[in-house]
Amino acid sequence: EVQLVESGGGLVQPGGSLRLSCAASGFSFSDFWITWVRQAPGRGLEWVANINQDERERYYVDSVRGRFTISRDNAKNSVYLQLNSLRAEDTAVYYCARVHTYGYYFDYWGQGTLVTVSS
Amino acid sequence: ASRMTQSPSSFSASTGDRVTITCRASRDIGTYLAWYQQTPGKAPKLLIYGASTLHTGVPSRFSGGGSGTDFTLTISSLQSEDFATYYCQQYYDYPLTFGGGTKVDFK
Repeated sequence: EVQLVESGGGLVQPGGSLRLSCAASGFSFSDFWITWVRQAPGRGLEWVANINQDERERYYVDSVRGRFTISRDNAKNSVYLQLNSLRAEDTAVYYCARVHTYGYYFDYWGQGTLVTVSS
Repeated sequence: ASRMTQSPSSFSASTGDRVTITCRASRDIGTYLAWYQQTPGKAPKLLIYGASTLHTGVPSRFSGGGSGTDFTLTISSLQSEDFATYYCQQYYDYPLTFGGGTKVDFK
């Protein structure tokens, strides 16, 4: 069974940092791109970042580029999202998801982890 | 960037109704479109990709259509578990973008 489990969310002050983790199981992790998608409270979905199998390709939405960094450790079947210089508008549930083999859409999702940026 | 616009943003329906949700792209995205379903407090679930291909395990009452800039998601006979919010997503180019969502609630 494909599973993705996020962790690392919490309350952080504006300007602070946080590292989110996504632990994967039930599939050949090193064969797949992984993505992060976020959802602000009561709002819609927003794609944040993608990473390919060997970390050579990484893509970000403009609003986080230069502040967030996506990375992965295939030996640990894990993907990470380092969040720096956090702003109130980064408050959201952050989901990791597996990117389908045939296109940049997302076939399995984790349950999400909540990041709250507030003083 | 390809902007995705869904309509309506919400509507009410009854069990057994046939419902159609539309999604419009700001430019031609071919059939690089996916649909997701999300219920409150849960992660989204993939329903359809390639504009019309059902993901594994998705009931056949769901169908998708369209190409270019105009797309539809149709539920042929609404079931109780289908009351949810639906999102389209284009994967033609970066940044990957979602529509604003369409909430289907009980009439």
